[in-house]
Amino acid sequence: EDKVVQSPLSLVVHEGDTVTLNCSYEVTNFRSLLWYKQEKKAPTFLFMLTSSGIEKKSGRLSSILDKKELSSILNITATQTGDSAIYLCAVSSNSGYALNFGKGTSLLVTP
Amino acid sequence: GAVVSQHPSRVICKSGTSVKIECRSLDFQATTMFWYRQFPKQSLMLMATSNEGSKATYEQGVEKDKFLINHASLTLSTLTVTSAHPEDSSFYICSASDTGQGTYEQYFGPGTRLTVT
Repeated sequence: EDKVVQSPLSLVVHEGDTVTLNCSYEVTNFRSLLWYKQEKKAPTFLFMLTSSGIEKKSGRLSSILDKKELSSILNITATQTGDSAIYLCAVSSNSGYALNFGKGTSLLVTP
Repeated sequence: GAVVSQHPSRVICKSGTSVKIECRSLDFQATTMFWYRQFPKQSLMLMATSNEGSKATYEQGVEKDKFLINHASLTLSTLTVTSAHPEDSSFYICSASDTGQGTYEQYFGPGTRLTVT
């Protein structure tokens, strides 16, 4: 059975800190790993990773995939209170188009 | 980017009634749409995958007679929660994928919060 595990489940940091969120997966016929940010509504897309070792970057956020370790990390530098959200990791496989989500990491950035 | 809308955004209904939720892709043709459910402090759980013009594929444990899905056009899928009960109260989110283009990215709607009293 496909599985996506995120850690930590929750995290509290101070503004300006750097955080690293983890996602590990077990999936048959892996196609891609995606990161989403969810505030009060539906998830918003952050990154899609398909190739190992290539960092994707958007502002203070970056992510990288390690296919050998079956994992990915999401880094957020110089955190701001607006980064407070649930960060979801999802994996897709070549057997279909559906996404298998992890439980998410709840991040709280305090002023 | 691609836009997906959902309607209504919030609905309260009485136990035993049915509720229909619409999911529309506004600027692309969605050959495949997905329906997720999210309970408080939990992740998104896939309920079903619907392909335009064919029957939906339901995930294990999801009752197809209770959660009716119709994907009659390339821009609209509907989820009807029949004979709703309080335990059906949840956040329902749809996503759409233009799989006809060979892209696998999913675009999420804003979600519908259902409360059954």
